[in-house]
This record gives sequence, C-alpha cells and structure tokens, in this order.
Amino acid sequence: PQLRESGPGLVKPSETLSLTCTVSGGSINTGAYYWAWIRQPPGKGLEWIGTIYHSGSTSYNPSLRSRASMSVDTSKNQFSLKLTSATATDTAVYYCARMAVTLDYWGQGTLVSVSS
Amino acid sequence: QSVLTQPPSASGAPGQRVTISCSGSSSNIGGNAVNWYQQLPGTAPKLLIYAHNHRPSGVPDRFSASKSGTSASLAISGLQSEDEADYYCSAWDDNLKGYVFGTGTEVTVL
Repeated sequence: PQLRESGPGLVKPSETLSLTCTVSGGSINTGAYYWAWIRQPPGKGLEWIGTIYHSGSTSYNPSLRSRASMSVDTSKNQFSLKLTSATATDTAVYYCARMAVTLDYWGQGTLVSVSS
Repeated sequence: QSVLTQPPSASGAPGQRVTISCSGSSSNIGGNAVNWYQQLPGTAPKLLIYAHNHRPSGVPDRFSASKSGTSASLAISGLQSEDEADYYCSAWDDNLKGYVFGTGTEVTVL
C-alpha cells in the first residue's frame, strides 16, 4: 500500500490545521488495520497523535485530545486529521501510517508550518 | 514528548558492530513488542525491526534486536556507509493507549 498526506503547508496561529491521507493499493475499509497520524517537529523526535478505525472509532494522545479530531471517508479511501487552535509548537512534518502489528507503512510526510 | 530513552549518538568504522539501547517502562517495553525504525535524512521512518526481532522483507540480517525487561537494543553488524541515519525505538504504551517513541539515535559511520 501507499499513503500520501495532503493539505496546506502554512497555517496561521489560532486557526485549524487540516490534513488528509489518501491510501492506495489497498482498502481502508478493512478490519485488519488501524490508521494513524504521527508528527515530527523540525530536528526533533516522533510523536503519536492518534489512531482511527474504519468504523470511525478513535484514540488520541492525551496531550492533544482536546484539540485533535480524526475522521475516515471509506468511499474515498481517505482519513483526515484536524488540529484546532494551532500554535507554533504544532509546526512539524506530519505523517500518516497504517497500523497492523505495528506502524508498518508510512506516507512521505508533509511539512506544516504555523506562522502569521 | 519522547517516553523511551536512547543515546543521542553512536558511531563505528565500516565493518564494525554498533549497538543502540532503548530504555522504557513496564507500561511499554516491559509488556509489549518493541519496534525499530530507520530514518534517512529528509525521508519518512522505515520499519526495520518489529515484534522484538522480526525483519520486514528487504531488511538485511545485519540488523538484529533484543529485549530484556524494560529495555531493548538494536545491533548493526558489518556497518556500512548507507547505515548512516537516525534510529528510533517504539512500543505500544498501555497507559497512553498509543505508540511511544524513543528520543532517537544518530548513527555515524566513521
């Protein structure tokens, strides 16, 4: 399978960061996998944001739970992330990934900068 | 926020063996499988080892891993120039109900 992130590369502070992950080479509508978002601030390590199942069931990192929401569109084979009230600390490369036994397939990542 | 602790750097000459440690707790490494990722500059992390010591297709057997209690380690034998990268450990965390990652180790081939 291949995963590809898309969305604005620049978001203003206090606005909502929105990203979509398009999955090809396999259906998102299968009970075999969960789908995840991970981010990596420039020069720093990886942070798990959250996970969604094809049914829409979600799980979020407690540090982001109040601002993050994920959704899935099985008709388009996509899942999405919204992060409200963005600040400069949300500047990062955002990755989407497939979760089976582990996070096995990742997208190439997309850099989102939060700046006015 | 990284929950698993790794040394910031490791190095070795070509052909040598390098080992990277990863320290966690009972809620992550102590009770769940450990995975390792390789991240080349400017690219996405690539799964290197999963479920303690299983390699995805295409990953050379120069890479091996082990786990003991709440710690794990990755070994790279026969070090090659293309092994220069950042390496991250990861495990499911029962408290977080999500994945936690290590602080990352930069491997340099001298």
